[in-house]
Amino acid sequence: SQQGEEDPQALSIQEGENATMNCSYKTSINNLQWYRQNSGRGLVHLILIRSNEREKHSGRLRVTLDTSKKSSSLLITASRAADTASYFCATEGNFGNEKLTFGTGTRLTIIP
Amino acid sequence: DAMVIQNPRYQVTQFGKPVTLSCSQTLNHNVMYWYQQKSSQAPKLLFHYYDKDFNNEADTPDNFQSRRPNTSFCFLDIRSPGLGDAAMYLCATSGAGGEEQYFGPGTRLTVT
Repeated sequence: SQQGEEDPQALSIQEGENATMNCSYKTSINNLQWYRQNSGRGLVHLILIRSNEREKHSGRLRVTLDTSKKSSSLLITASRAADTASYFCATEGNFGNEKLTFGTGTRLTIIP
Repeated sequence: DAMVIQNPRYQVTQFGKPVTLSCSQTLNHNVMYWYQQKSSQAPKLLFHYYDKDFNNEADTPDNFQSRRPNTSFCFLDIRSPGLGDAAMYLCATSGAGGEEQYFGPGTRLTVT
């Protein structure tokens, strides 16, 4: 399976703290994306980082990519209760076939 | 607002009774995807269309079929639903290969 792995599987933190989630994958990629999914809803795209980029920021989100280790991390700073959701990484392989392979996800709970 | 719409949001069908789920988009995107997501798991790609070109995943059961009559609409047909097909079905679109995907809210399918 080419599915990525995320850790931790679940994470609970106090509101205001930072949350870090990690993603590992197996094959060469064109880009890696992070998505958020609220319970029972569709996924929402958060950020895309290309294989030639090492770090990217968007608001309270910071993503890093290490292609030598085939890993990425998502940092959410100053967490809020509304950040409670599942977070998935997804990779696009370098085959040019429009497909994403999703990781197993991290369930993040922010405690008010 | 441009969006991806899925109907119905909740669908109950009987074991073996054919069911059709629908997806429409106002984004004018070339690519449309169907994913199956079971509880606490990653979305699993069933198939996707690049314009009219249909791309089936190797492990998608023959029980699942799809139609894309035009750019805006895509349908998922489950010919003989089994209990194991109960899941959330997510439709997504993207403008070109490898870019972010836009997800609909999903259809929760229950098989009785």
